[in-house]
Amino acid sequence: EIVLTQSPGTLSLSPGERATLSCRASQGLSSSYLAWYQQKPGQAPRLLIYGTSTRAAGIPDRISGSGSGTDFTLTISRLEPEDFAVYYCQQYSDSHWTFGQGTKVEIK
Amino acid sequence: QVQLKESGPGLVKPSETLSLTCTVSGVPMDFYSWSWVRQSAGKGLEWIGRVYASGSTNYNPSLESRVTMSVDTSKNQFSLRMRSVTAADTAVYYCASHLSVGFFDYWGQGILVPVSS
Repeated sequence: EIVLTQSPGTLSLSPGERATLSCRASQGLSSSYLAWYQQKPGQAPRLLIYGTSTRAAGIPDRISGSGSGTDFTLTISRLEPEDFAVYYCQQYSDSHWTFGQGTKVEIK
Repeated sequence: QVQLKESGPGLVKPSETLSLTCTVSGVPMDFYSWSWVRQSAGKGLEWIGRVYASGSTNYNPSLESRVTMSVDTSKNQFSLRMRSVTAADTAVYYCASHLSVGFFDYWGQGILVPVSS
């Protein structure tokens, strides 16, 4: 099983600031099969990024993904009020898909 | 517009079988695969397994011995059965789609399933 470790656990930032979230895999992901999701309280997760860097439909370009191998990053260039939420990475590189434990982005 | 909605009992007793159904609209089920994901209170996301339109399945190894998933494309539904549940199986259960390979592109709203006597 591929284990995904997200850091930090919590990120305290102000609106307008830049958020950088990390996701590290226990082994290299083939074809950059990594996705990112946003989840707000009481809601289902929402797909943000797939294939490491491709934004899903309707996702603003202030949200971007990068990385390869075992190290991946989600960047929000300028935090808007609606961006404060929990973010999960997910790998689909092997047949047993796994999620990271999440990073909470909270208002400072 | 692709929509998914979970349905099932509001409460399951310990040692019994949890059964959930996901109804899909807005897309034909025939060409895609479908998953169940759960989330315990205050915890992260756990993938349970997926079922292809053909009926073949792939499960999380940690749950494989207790889980069965099936699909009925004529009814636009797929289902989850989890046997011998305990309080640790109390969670919000989501169904989700894979219109492309591997990532979860659409999600249901989720259904809370408490396991309690």
